[in-house]
Amino acid sequence: LAKTTQPISMDSYEGQEVNITCSHNNIATNDYITWYQQFPSQGPRFIIQGYKTKVTNEVASLFIPADRKSSTLSLPRVSLSDTAVYYCLVGGDQTGANNLFFGTGTRLTVIP
Amino acid sequence: NAGVMQNPRHLVRRRGQEARLRCSPMKGHSHVYWYRQLPEEGLKFMVYLQKENIIDESGMPKERFSAEFPKEGPSILRIQQVVRGDSAAYFCASSPLVLEQFFGPGTRLTVL
Repeated sequence: LAKTTQPISMDSYEGQEVNITCSHNNIATNDYITWYQQFPSQGPRFIIQGYKTKVTNEVASLFIPADRKSSTLSLPRVSLSDTAVYYCLVGGDQTGANNLFFGTGTRLTVIP
Repeated sequence: NAGVMQNPRHLVRRRGQEARLRCSPMKGHSHVYWYRQLPEEGLKFMVYLQKENIIDESGMPKERFSAEFPKEGPSILRIQQVVRGDSAAYFCASSPLVLEQFFGPGTRLTVL
């Protein structure tokens, strides 16, 4: 399974755009890239998922270059409530086996 | 549609006792995953189950831990003869036939 590398922590001021990059050099052809958000004492929450190019939803955007060896989660105009840990996962849904490995994630702190 | 439910939310056990953690997946979801999270660490995959079948238990300790997902009723993660090192948050997630996992609120196990 493809391992991921992402920064341990990031700080940002309110209202700024935050970009969190994840490296996944060993991504397989049929792997998807998924990002989760986790607040303290809660389970992770799905944010966004993509395979290639760009995906956007009401919460975030996900940029994936052509080689797919990295991806960038973009959070527009963060607020204090965006302070959380963000996990980048890479995995495929092959024959029903779907075990996504969460690393330590990126701890984002939004500063007033 | 209720989300993934886990109970109890908090569980205290003395060393040597058994801990039973329950997870009710979202309606229509036949895939269940269990994760363990130590303080300040990411989630570690333990086991992936479908109804009545263990699909992947590569993350489960070889001894004392077991999991089931019966045809009727919740999925159960069972820890026998608990030790202090078992103290952690245990999260359950469910999914339909796609990669997006829906997490429960977790069970916080404390072993005295």
